[in-house]
Amino acid sequence: QVQLQQWGAGLLKPSETLSLTCAVYGESFSGYYWSWIRQPPGKGLEWIGEINHSGSTNYNPSLESRVTMSVDTSKNQFSLKLRSVTAADTAVFFCARHVTGDFYFDYWGQGTLVTVSS
Amino acid sequence: QSALTQPASVSGSPGQSITISCTGTSSDVGGYNYVSWYQQHPGKAPKLMIYDVSKRPSGVSNRFSGSKSGNTASLTISGLQAEDEADYYCCSYAGITTWVFGGGTKLTVL
Repeated sequence: QVQLQQWGAGLLKPSETLSLTCAVYGESFSGYYWSWIRQPPGKGLEWIGEINHSGSTNYNPSLESRVTMSVDTSKNQFSLKLRSVTAADTAVFFCARHVTGDFYFDYWGQGTLVTVSS
Repeated sequence: QSALTQPASVSGSPGQSITISCTGTSSDVGGYNYVSWYQQHPGKAPKLMIYDVSKRPSGVSNRFSGSKSGNTASLTISGLQAEDEADYYCCSYAGITTWVFGGGTKLTVL
């Protein structure tokens, strides 16, 4: 059974860098794209970007200037960094998977609440 | 790219049917047959309910169905049950390897 388990710092100050990691268990890392998706409190979902096992990335144009994703295939993990955060970045962040060539997210992590506050 | 438009809330009584709409543009919903729907209970991760407009993943009840006409996709839940009460989000591929989600619809089972 595929499981995505995520972690990272939950409280940041404005201008700091958000850093989250997602580990994949029960499935090969290759053949998929691995995404980050966020949800501000009480609001809808927003796709942040994705990365595959070889490190190829695609980012949401609205966040691209502040986002970096990376992958560690030896650990079956992928990570998100979001620079220069503000209160508007406060959200629950989810990691998720989609099969390369498919267009839906079939497995999700449990979510991590990140709060940006001075 | 702008979020897809969903009604903020819908409601229905047990046993009834409800439909949630999801309106986009020709650059997303109307341009691709890649609309998916997710169910989210409070404090939980979203769960895939429908993909490729109308396909159901294994294990999802056949009470859930999807369709699309032009720039609007729809999720229909028939035979409403108490456990269907949740938030529902649509999602569409938007080209150039990007995705756009709807703002979400809160379903209340009366």
